[in-house]
Amino acid sequence: KNEVEQSPQNLTAQEGEFITINCSYSVGISALHWLQQHPGGGIVSLFMLSSGKKKHGRLIATINIQEKHSSLHITASHPRDSAVYICARSNFGNEKLTFGTGTRLTIIP
Amino acid sequence: DAGVTQSPTHLIKTRGQQVTLRCSPKSGHDTVSWYQQALGQGPQFIFQYYEEEERQRGNFPDRFSGHQFPNYSSELNVNALLLGDSALYLCASSGLGGGYEQYFGPGTRLTVT
Repeated sequence: KNEVEQSPQNLTAQEGEFITINCSYSVGISALHWLQQHPGGGIVSLFMLSSGKKKHGRLIATINIQEKHSSLHITASHPRDSAVYICARSNFGNEKLTFGTGTRLTIIP
Repeated sequence: DAGVTQSPTHLIKTRGQQVTLRCSPKSGHDTVSWYQQALGQGPQFIFQYYEEEERQRGNFPDRFSGHQFPNYSSELNVNALLLGDSALYLCASSGLGGGYEQYFGPGTRLTVT
């Protein structure tokens, strides 16, 4: 069993829809990361969180430490949000990231 | 402020050859991590350098080695290349100044033929 599991693997939605991507992890963490990867490979860090909720623009990330679960939400989705979204865990902020398998999101105009 | 840079962008090598990939961290960062991402897979941790020493290592053979220089830039070396080494190699930098959030470079795509 992978240390970090994501669902769904693939998600297709219409522009404007509210998007939720889920992440669960099996061991304790000190930080949970959400990252975005566009075709071509570059990875951008979206959030690093250890408790509660963070918001940046249309993106919201939440984490429930007791349930070992995190969600990434996108409000008013747009075709430019189409990418692979990956969650990853680390024990301490500066240690190696253990990645989930990613969720491929496609937003249709 | 330049972010994380990597060179080269693309590279084609033959089985058995050796390759060196380079990474310059984001300004103010002192820690460099290397990841290998095979096609359709999530990145896998190779190793991490801090203060010019390998601080952590993932499950990769000794053919994979690295180095960190006094200016915090880093190299990844792979010897005796195998077809299975074909992948996107990602470098990430982090440091206390950035709250330990990891910033990724654009990657080097290595193809072994």
